[in-house]
Amino acid sequence: SVLLYQKPNRDICQSGTSLKIQCVADSQVVSMFWYQQFQEQSLMLMATANEGSEATYESGFTKDKFPISRPNLTFSTLTVNNARPGDSSIYFCSSSPVTASAETLYFGSGTRLTVL
Amino acid sequence: AQSVDQPDAHVTLSEGASLELRCSYSYSAAPYLFWYVQYPGQSLQFLLKYITGDTVVKGTKGFEAEFRKSNSSFNLKKSPAHWSDSAKYFCALEDTGYQNFYFGKGTSLTVIP
Repeated sequence: SVLLYQKPNRDICQSGTSLKIQCVADSQVVSMFWYQQFQEQSLMLMATANEGSEATYESGFTKDKFPISRPNLTFSTLTVNNARPGDSSIYFCSSSPVTASAETLYFGSGTRLTVL
Repeated sequence: AQSVDQPDAHVTLSEGASLELRCSYSYSAAPYLFWYVQYPGQSLQFLLKYITGDTVVKGTKGFEAEFRKSNSSFNLKKSPAHWSDSAKYFCALEDTGYQNFYFGKGTSLTVIP
């Protein structure tokens, strides 16, 4: 397995501001994934981040709004730019020890964001 | 297109009863299927997965799931249920080869002591 540590656990910000969410893995992982979960809803894949390359974004998510950095094999940050109340949700990073199909995804503790 | 359906948003049962949470999927190839559990205020925890082979897979916390290709289902089961099983359960399908997971909307399980 892989342990993923996220911070902050919670954040409250004003509309129009930006915030960063950090994710640290306890071992080197090739891919990190960012998911968004609205209250009482499912998880939606936002993007895939590999070290040394641009993140790949899913439909509905853009790098201008949600820039992701992946400077090394244990670390990633997700930024929420120009935050709006509609961005209020929980953000999870996830990864697996091996980048391959059928591998279990493990999730960080999540960051609950509230935008006022 | 791939999709996962969990038709029951909420399930309530008494402690000691058998639980079965339903999951159906749509996928053009052989699916990789997963179950996760999310306790209130916590992250997702892996329970079990089906990749290939035996259609009944056993996981953590006493759970098992049965893969049925005939009706594209992957239902989660446990007997008997315990009050500590109260949580939200997510079924997920991996887009094979891409490590993209598609999650159902989840089933909130309440087990009454």
